[in-house]
Amino acid sequence: DAGVIQSPRHEVTEMGQEVTLRCKLISGHNSLFWYRQTMMRGLELLIYFNNNVPIDDSGMPEDRFSAKMPNASFSTLKIQPSEPRDSAVYFCASSLSREQPQHFGDGTRLSIL
Amino acid sequence: SQQGEEDPQALSIQEGENATMNCSYKTSINNLQWYRQNSGRGLVHLILIRSNEREKHSGRLRVTLDTSKKSSSLLITASRAADTASYFCATGGWGGADGLTFGKGTHLIIQP
Repeated sequence: DAGVIQSPRHEVTEMGQEVTLRCKLISGHNSLFWYRQTMMRGLELLIYFNNNVPIDDSGMPEDRFSAKMPNASFSTLKIQPSEPRDSAVYFCASSLSREQPQHFGDGTRLSIL
Repeated sequence: SQQGEEDPQALSIQEGENATMNCSYKTSINNLQWYRQNSGRGLVHLILIRSNEREKHSGRLRVTLDTSKKSSSLLITASRAADTASYFCATGGWGGADGLTFGKGTHLIIQP
């Protein structure tokens, strides 16, 4: 039973470059969440989708960040242009429905130089 | 902003002992969840307790919730080396459908 799959696991790039993080949901799950984890701010919700529709993007830090769900099983989080303060571990999680727990991927560790 | 605040920030105990972690939160909740995170991995759901419940058990885990004090505790009994991890409380809407707000976590180390 495959869990949530994120790619890449690690990304190192220079500031100003576009970064795309990818997430494959667990089959049949209809809610998708993007979180960011840093030592200073802990885990923060960036955006979440229900049935491919963005419900709350109030956690997206700036217009440089965008997230999409081109289909029911896949999502991307894009940062353009990237900045050093975007360095963090980015997690996506999916859930089957309300009252069900969220299943997390193992994250993408992003370093912006 | 952080909804939950875990206490202590770090805890080191001997294998076999019990570990207790506390969480405080600020706003009204429908439920509270606990998650575990092993180093370099994603979070794993442990247990969910609803606002009308006071205590819940799952294996070696015992969770309590006091809505009057806006606090919860997680007890791990008979700890094992494999329990070494960070533990987070989280609040949200109806559990899975709404985004979660996490505390900063308790880092638990079990000494063999």
